[in-house]
Amino acid sequence: AQSVTQPDIHITVSEGASLELRCNYSYGATPYLFWYVQSPGQGLQLLLKYFSGDTLVQGIKGFEAEFKRSQSSFNLRKPSVHWSDAAEYFCAVGPNRDDKIIFGKGTRLHILP
Amino acid sequence: GAVVSQHPSWVICKSGTSVKIECRSLDFQATTMFWYRQFPKQSLMLMATSNEGSKATYEQGVEKDKFLINHASLTLSTLTVTSAHPEDSSFYICSSGGEAATEAFFGQGTRLTVV
Repeated sequence: AQSVTQPDIHITVSEGASLELRCNYSYGATPYLFWYVQSPGQGLQLLLKYFSGDTLVQGIKGFEAEFKRSQSSFNLRKPSVHWSDAAEYFCAVGPNRDDKIIFGKGTRLHILP
Repeated sequence: GAVVSQHPSWVICKSGTSVKIECRSLDFQATTMFWYRQFPKQSLMLMATSNEGSKATYEQGVEKDKFLINHASLTLSTLTVTSAHPEDSSFYICSSGGEAATEAFFGQGTRLTVV
């Protein structure tokens, strides 16, 4: 069965520190992988996505993610976080268009001043 | 990227009344729309998949008679919460399959509070 696991429910980092949010997936074929960010009371914004090709994907707001097939992981990273990065982050996996996207349970990122 | 507009952003209604939430694709044709529900501090739970011109497909455990979905055109899908009760209070989000495939575009979400 397809699934997405985000092991960390909460993560707290200091402003300016580096960040890595973990995501593991279970999928029968080559997955399409996504990271979304959700600010409180808002919809979801796509940070980046991986379909194929280069396993290191660059996204918006300085985020990047690396697809590692051997580890079934798609971890999100940012070298230096800003206070405005505090939000909920969702990893997701999906097949192709018009099909379902399966979301992880989310990781809430807190930023210390 | 493509834009999905969802209205209203928030709504308060009395218990027993019905509420309609609209989701519009503004610059592309969405043959499929997804409706999600999100409880506080939880992930998104897919409620149903609506296809233009046909009946929606509901996920297990979702009451189709309570959550009416209509996808009458390629740019509009609606979710109607009928006879709403306080336990229906939640954050509802729609999304569409992208026209270029393999990406979902999300509406801004609707915060429903039933009093």
